[in-house]
Amino acid sequence: EADIYQTPRYLVIGTGKKITLECSQTMGHDKMYWYQQDPGMELHLIHYSYGVNSTEKGDLSSESTVSRIRTEHFPLTLESARPSHTSQYLCASRDVGSYEQYFGPGTRLTVT
Amino acid sequence: DAKTTQPPSMDCAEGRAANLPCNHSTISGNEYVYWYRQIHSQGPQYIIHGLKNNETNEMASLIITEDRKSSTLILPHATLRDTAVYYCIVRVSLGGGSQGNLIFGKGTKLSVKP
Repeated sequence: EADIYQTPRYLVIGTGKKITLECSQTMGHDKMYWYQQDPGMELHLIHYSYGVNSTEKGDLSSESTVSRIRTEHFPLTLESARPSHTSQYLCASRDVGSYEQYFGPGTRLTVT
Repeated sequence: DAKTTQPPSMDCAEGRAANLPCNHSTISGNEYVYWYRQIHSQGPQYIIHGLKNNETNEMASLIITEDRKSSTLILPHATLRDTAVYYCIVRVSLGGGSQGNLIFGKGTKLSVKP
């Protein structure tokens, strides 16, 4: 059982609000990832991190930002939420030397 | 990284073997084949991976053709809980300059029916 957690699981929020999606893992993994997935569509990588103070943008352009101040914590922030940000956001982590990524349960975000 | 082709959907009767094909005709010698699945509304789950030999674990078997241009994921006794989208992903080994990121395509939606 993977020890990777995301909060909140569901969030409904109004346009213009600042939001932070939390992701934490207790496996000591250096590599962490954020994916975005619309219903019935493909997963797209939006951010990744190879360790503390390391963050990179993924294949899909996103207005969100991330930070990695601690190994176990990789939060994603939207400064001003818009309806186009409505989606599911999935966090994942992996160990060095392995492609096996462990995924969290996801946060389903709705911006009204 | 090699591109993969999978059928968009498949059906399987409960208790029967589910054989999910994946075509990766442009695969190169240092690329692995990975399989993940995503049950509705959950995060993807790793299933199995291989380079050229067939692999088996508690979840599934992976059969890779001798020329490595295609592979088949086998769920030997499918249950209703195996209904999910199955992704076949080809990536270079981590020592080959890869950043370790996975690229998920559209996958195959497997429906296991009673």
